Amino acid sequence: RKEVEQDPGPFNVPEGATVAFNCTYSNSASQSFFWYRQDCRKEPKLLMSVYSSGNEDGRFTAQLNRASQYISLLIRDSKLSDSATYLCVVNSGGYQKVTFGTGTKLQVIP
Amino acid sequence: NAGVTQTPKFQVLKTGQSMTLQCAQDMNHNSMYWYRQDPGMGLRLIYYSASEGTTDKGEVPNGYNVSRLNKREFSLRLESAAPSQTSVYFCASSVGRNTGELFFGEGSRLTVL
Repeated sequence: RKEVEQDPGPFNVPEGATVAFNCTYSNSASQSFFWYRQDCRKEPKLLMSVYSSGNEDGRFTAQLNRASQYISLLIRDSKLSDSATYLCVVNSGGYQKVTFGTGTKLQVIP
Repeated sequence: NAGVTQTPKFQVLKTGQSMTLQCAQDMNHNSMYWYRQDPGMGLRLIYYSASEGTTDKGEVPNGYNVSRLNKREFSLRLESAAPSQTSVYFCASSVGRNTGELFFGEGSRLTVL
């Protein structure tokens, strides 16, 4: 089993739709979690951290489910500009224990 | 604010040639990293420098060397490039230890023929 797994997609959704991605992780001792956004041929950019109690930033909501070992990202009222690949990142402690998922591609269509 | 700057943005090498990727950050971060990104794989850590004067191997260090020149600069060297090193290379930095909160440069696309 991979340390961090994501559905590669693509998720094709119409503008205004709500879409959710999950990311599962295998190490139950993982300590911190993040979502990054990566546009085509660009660098990853931190979108948001994922806190145990869940957190929201505008149209974006991130949640952590430690019991089932996954994190989720919910995007409400999708915009064309949300089209990108979303990477989850899991830190299991230490410099070499930060693992990137392969990403989920989102395409928002008019 | 420049953040993390990498050069060159693109490079084509022949097998056996050498080159150095340069990275500089202006955020006064202590830790710096080199990652590579290949299709279908997550970013993989090549080398990192937890602080000025220290460097350590990451997940895929073979065929690479690094130098932390000062707090701002962290370079990656390919001594004898191989086609398997064709990839997109990202330099990143973090304030302190790597929790997963990283700031990336724009990337360097390297093709080895």
